Amino acid sequence: DSGVTQTPKHLITATGQRVTLRCSPRSGDLSVYWYQQSLDQGLQFLIQYYNGEERAKGNILERFSAQQFPDLHSELNLSSLELGDSALYFCASSVSDRWGNTEAFFGQGTRLTVV
Amino acid sequence: DAKTTQPTSMDCAEGRAANLPCNHSTISGNEYVYWYRQIHSQGPQYIIHGLKNNETNEMASLIITEDRKSSTLILPHATLRDTAVYYCIVRVNAGKSTFGDGTTLTVKP
Repeated sequence: DSGVTQTPKHLITATGQRVTLRCSPRSGDLSVYWYQQSLDQGLQFLIQYYNGEERAKGNILERFSAQQFPDLHSELNLSSLELGDSALYFCASSVSDRWGNTEAFFGQGTRLTVV
Repeated sequence: DAKTTQPTSMDCAEGRAANLPCNHSTISGNEYVYWYRQIHSQGPQYIIHGLKNNETNEMASLIITEDRKSSTLILPHATLRDTAVYYCIVRVNAGKSTFGDGTTLTVKP
């Protein structure tokens, strides 16, 4: 158990809908990272928050947004869903605003299926 | 960011050492080498990281060449549960990285 909690574990929704994925970081970790892993592909970095503020952006679509709340949990909002958004979504957390010389821990992911 | 090159796949006999190479010839002085693994769509698991010196923990050893252009992850006594995709990441802030294809390690009885 990494200490990072993601909910829900599975989500099935229709095209055009909007969903919210939730991530609770490890106790004491201030950074939350979101990743997308499509079928048979590597993890793509989406976005990072540190202590409530957006710190870095990767290949995140405009239809996707995220935020980190005062209690440090984070939510990833996916809207106007398309079939191609079906993927595993992982979050990770770390103590610092960058991994350098610290490790990050991943949750078990949310499997999103868009039908 | 330094580009990494890893073999697509490797096999290892159970109980033997698994040596996974990673080339990162464009690495810069402040970039760390991280290794993670992912077992069948589970969340990636941290293994080890280092900057210049060789590192060892309860899971593995990391050997970084003196010029830092390549590294090797060593699993000293591979078990069937070590079958996974292993990712080598080189970056100042590894959290912002895309993990790439990694090496699929298959441990065989």
